Amino acid sequence: EAGVTQSPTHLIKTRGQQATLRCSPISGHTSVYWYQQALGLGLQFLLWYDEGEERNRGNFPPRFSGRQFPNYSSELNVNALELEDSALYLCASSTGQSLFYNSPLHFGNGTRLTVT
Amino acid sequence: AQTVTQSQPEMSVQEAETVTLSCTYDTSESDYYLFWYKQPPSRQMILVIRQEAYKQQNATENRFSVNFQKAAKSFSLKISDSQLGDAAMYFCAYRSSGAGGTSYGKLTFGQGTILTVHP
Repeated sequence: EAGVTQSPTHLIKTRGQQATLRCSPISGHTSVYWYQQALGLGLQFLLWYDEGEERNRGNFPPRFSGRQFPNYSSELNVNALELEDSALYLCASSTGQSLFYNSPLHFGNGTRLTVT
Repeated sequence: AQTVTQSQPEMSVQEAETVTLSCTYDTSESDYYLFWYKQPPSRQMILVIRQEAYKQQNATENRFSVNFQKAAKSFSLKISDSQLGDAAMYFCAYRSSGAGGTSYGKLTFGQGTILTVHP
């Protein structure tokens, strides 16, 4: 069974540009989560999508946005990049809302975003 | 909002010995789920063990076990017979069982504990 895949592995952008990160969940998983892991700050919840809809979002500005496609893959967009957006962005998937409480999140290897 | 606290930024253990990682959480809910994840240098977060709050019995997965103290809101991880491959960052995480609200569906993580295993 293929795990959660994220692309690209590394991304280098200049301040003010836009970044697009992609995630493919495990087959059969309908929920996709995005987390930001900045140095020394642990994992901060960004967004949760399930069945194509945004179900919850963390305390991040609107320039962090995303979407989930009909095949349940997801895209995270970060507009007007700032230096402090440099971080590891982790995507995770799990089964859908009706089952997820006890089902763990399965994580990808992350995208390392560097803003210069 | 729920918070998760890991008070040990770093821990070390000798190979084959036992180590305990601490985690406390703050919640007003009675039903929830707790998890321990490890993140090795490869960056991929891997589930180590999980515990349902309504279960009194502590979860065990091979060399990994937890000490779940619901009244104290404590959820420590014990690693027995430590191996070099256990070296990683360990995260404690909380998930609400309630629907709706700002906590809906998300895992809240602690700051992590870096575990070093000495040969």
